Amino acid sequence: NAGVTQTPKFQVLKTGQSMTLQCAQDMNHNSMYWYRQDPGMGLRLIYYSASEGTTDKGEVPNGYNVSRLNKREFSLRLESAAPSQTSVYFCASSPLLAGMREQYFGPGTRLTVT
Amino acid sequence: DQQVKQNSPSLSVQEGRISILNCDYTNSMFDYFLWYKKYPAEGPTFLISISSIKDKNEDGRFTVFLNKSAKHLSLHIVPSQPGDSAVYFCAASLQGAQKLVFGQGTRLTINP
Repeated sequence: NAGVTQTPKFQVLKTGQSMTLQCAQDMNHNSMYWYRQDPGMGLRLIYYSASEGTTDKGEVPNGYNVSRLNKREFSLRLESAAPSQTSVYFCASSPLLAGMREQYFGPGTRLTVT
Repeated sequence: DQQVKQNSPSLSVQEGRISILNCDYTNSMFDYFLWYKKYPAEGPTFLISISSIKDKNEDGRFTVFLNKSAKHLSLHIVPSQPGDSAVYFCAASLQGAQKLVFGQGTRLTINP
């Protein structure tokens, strides 16, 4: 039981390049999330997927797209990377059972855009 | 607007003493609150939560207190241990919402 896994762990991009961050969970959770963490800003929600087949914007969606490929996998795509997207990206999942809203996080992807 | 605020970026506590981390929120419709702990180069891990129908929840050395009238919650760690040195995030959720709103985090350092 690996929990939430993310690939890659590190990535360096040049401005304008594109890439996809991969996330998978093996806990049979319905909901999945993408966050970015920047110094002094906490965790900010980029996009989330409440269930397979649905996606919704979070607090900072501009410059990103997502795909909920199946129940296990939720990917985040940067079409044209910008230096402002330099950050640490976390994927999370949640069962969203009644009375429990805990989210479980992956180890993160550290992205640098030059 | 920052709906969940952790006004202390850092806190230093001596080993064995009590650590108190604070969090304020502005939206009175939040009904579920959580604390996460994060070590460097790792993802946040869930620590403890509390529903708005309670004012206290305890789990071992960790206790979360909720003061709804003041829109304030706090995390108490007793006794503090070196392994508690980490960044702590509070988070809040609206009823029926699938999302969490996080504070900026407080870096806790436990000194021997």
